[in-house]
Amino acid sequence: SYVLTQPPSVSVAPGKTARITCGGNNIGSKSVHWYQQKPGQAPVLVIYFDSDRPSGIPERFSGSNSGNTATLTISRVEAGDEADYFCQVWDSSSGHSGVFGGGTKLTVL
Amino acid sequence: EVHLVESGGGLVQPGRSLRLSCAASGFTFDDYAMHWVRRAPGKGLEWVSGISWNSGNIDYADSVKGRFTISRDNAKNSLYLQMNSLRTEDTAFYYCAKRGDTILRGVAPFDSWGQGTLVTVSS
Repeated sequence: SYVLTQPPSVSVAPGKTARITCGGNNIGSKSVHWYQQKPGQAPVLVIYFDSDRPSGIPERFSGSNSGNTATLTISRVEAGDEADYFCQVWDSSSGHSGVFGGGTKLTVL
Repeated sequence: EVHLVESGGGLVQPGRSLRLSCAASGFTFDDYAMHWVRRAPGKGLEWVSGISWNSGNIDYADSVKGRFTISRDNAKNSLYLQMNSLRTEDTAFYYCAKRGDTILRGVAPFDSWGQGTLVTVSS
């Protein structure tokens, strides 16, 4: 089955840029989606199809995907961005399964 | 506005069963595939199961295959998850999620989520 690898944690000062990576074998050939989840809340889609942003998500959130790494970039980080972030793809090697990365805890210093 | 409301969670002993429900509103339910995703305490999100609009295609994570059964009732705009032979490692918040396209086995994201229902498996 397909595996996605994320760093467990990323720390960044307010106003700086946070980059969260998601590694997978030839992930550049897949569509990657990113979710934000805060404690006690449901996940929220923040980036879809590698780099598209849903309505209501600030322009500070952007995404890219190439080769073996997809990246979620959060510019001008704010305290309210502190959350867990998960990347996700679909794996059709056996049926049609959702695959999530292990998640990255973003800490705003 | 899309609204997904899960119910049916609770405390259950290992080996027992539980049935989760998800009531959907605000969209044409029978156009979309629906999924269950869970998050165990201290762990990440885990996709559990998905069902196509007409129940013709169903998929399960290896961790629940043979124990869980997903189903839907389009007349009632409802999604279900029958969980049998529950294990302590099944303890988690269970979320109902809508995939954002109407293509069979499409690759759109989960664009709407419920608030989740907590399942605790413990003796």
